[in-house]
Amino acid sequence: QKEVEQDPGPLSVPEGAIVSLNCTYSNSAFQYFMWYRQYSRKGPELLMYTYSSGNKEDGRFTAQVDKSSKYISLFIRDSQPSDSATYLCAMRAGGTSYGKLTFGQGTILTVHP
Amino acid sequence: DGGITQSPKYLFRKEGQNVTLSCEQNLNHDAMYWYRQDPGQGLRLIYYSQIVNDFQKGDIAEGYSVSREKKESFPLTVTSAQKNPTAFYLCASSTPRDFSYNEQFFGPGTRLTVL
Repeated sequence: QKEVEQDPGPLSVPEGAIVSLNCTYSNSAFQYFMWYRQYSRKGPELLMYTYSSGNKEDGRFTAQVDKSSKYISLFIRDSQPSDSATYLCAMRAGGTSYGKLTFGQGTILTVHP
Repeated sequence: DGGITQSPKYLFRKEGQNVTLSCEQNLNHDAMYWYRQDPGQGLRLIYYSQIVNDFQKGDIAEGYSVSREKKESFPLTVTSAQKNPTAFYLCASSTPRDFSYNEQFFGPGTRLTVL
């Protein structure tokens, strides 16, 4: 069983839809949770970062962490064609200085006009 | 502009050859990382380095080697011992001085294909 599980999709939605992306994990030591966005043939870029449980909002994006259920989500409101990309969740344990990240498989999202 | 550069963008290798992928950063970051990305498998850590002249194996180091002679540079060699090297290789860097927040910045990647 992988430490981080993410539905690879692909996910196709119409413009303006609300998108929900999810990851589950098994390692209780994970304390830092990130979402990266990766456009085709490019390197990932950090989209959202959350520490421990709770919600974080940034514009159209909301990240949620439920440590009791070992479940994290990314919501995209009013989705746009420019949101079409692969979304990767990433996590790391606390107490480490070098920041080893464990990634999910990535979800391919397409937003069509 | 500060950032991470990787070269070449595309690389073709014949079986039995060693190849070296370049990664350079001008962000003054202490830590650097190499990941491999395969379809449907996310990113997997190959090697990482926290400081110059020091590096550690990641989860899938077999068949790879690295060096860290300069802070700005962290080249990755894919050796002939790597059985399935065709993949997208990503280099990243971060500054671990802050133990809590540790954003990793990624380069544009190198796509390696074995012929």
